[in-house]
Amino acid sequence: NAGVMQNPRHLVRRRGQEARLRCSPMKGHSHVYWYRQLPEEGLKFMVYLQKENIIDESGMPKERFSAEFPKEGPSILRIQQVVRGDSAAYFCASSPPGQISANYGYTFGSGTRLTVV
Amino acid sequence: QKEVEQDPGPLSVPEGAIVSLNCTYSNSAFQYFMWYRQYSRKGPELLMYTYSSGNKEDGRFTAQVDKSSKYISLFIRDSQPSDSATYLCAMSASSSGSARQLTFGSGTQLTVLP
Repeated sequence: NAGVMQNPRHLVRRRGQEARLRCSPMKGHSHVYWYRQLPEEGLKFMVYLQKENIIDESGMPKERFSAEFPKEGPSILRIQQVVRGDSAAYFCASSPPGQISANYGYTFGSGTRLTVV
Repeated sequence: QKEVEQDPGPLSVPEGAIVSLNCTYSNSAFQYFMWYRQYSRKGPELLMYTYSSGNKEDGRFTAQVDKSSKYISLFIRDSQPSDSATYLCAMSASSSGSARQLTFGSGTQLTVLP
């Protein structure tokens, strides 16, 4: 049973380009979360999605960032017109429906490291 | 002031030592408390999960939550070099619905020396 798959592992973009980060949740998981980890900082919540629905986007920057989780295919975190401050590790996590617990907690992917040059 | 404070370390201990990691928080709505371990260039993995106050033990790991003091701890007994990683505390006000987001501490970098 494959874990949460994120790709690419590393992504380099020039300022002003677009970055697309993909996340395939674990089999049977219908909830996806995106977190950002800046150097020397903990993970910061960005967005929580279920299939075709954004449940909570309170952590998303108001501009340039968007996320989707279509009926078919992976979840996508899209960053338009990237700037140097967007350089970070972006982690996706998934969980099954129902309450989060020790048995059904988040499972994180290995992350995508975005570097903006 | 951050919602969750965690001493970043680094913390270096000899093999076999007892390690104590701590977090304080300010949001009294937090009820679910977790500890994650993150190896370099990897995603966090869940170590311990506790609801409300109390202790929980799992092998060499013990998690403690004191809601009255807004203070949580993770103890590692008989530490091993393989425990060398960054340890992140995380907490949530709810386990369901739109409040499933986790608030993380900044992480404590631990090195266990052979």
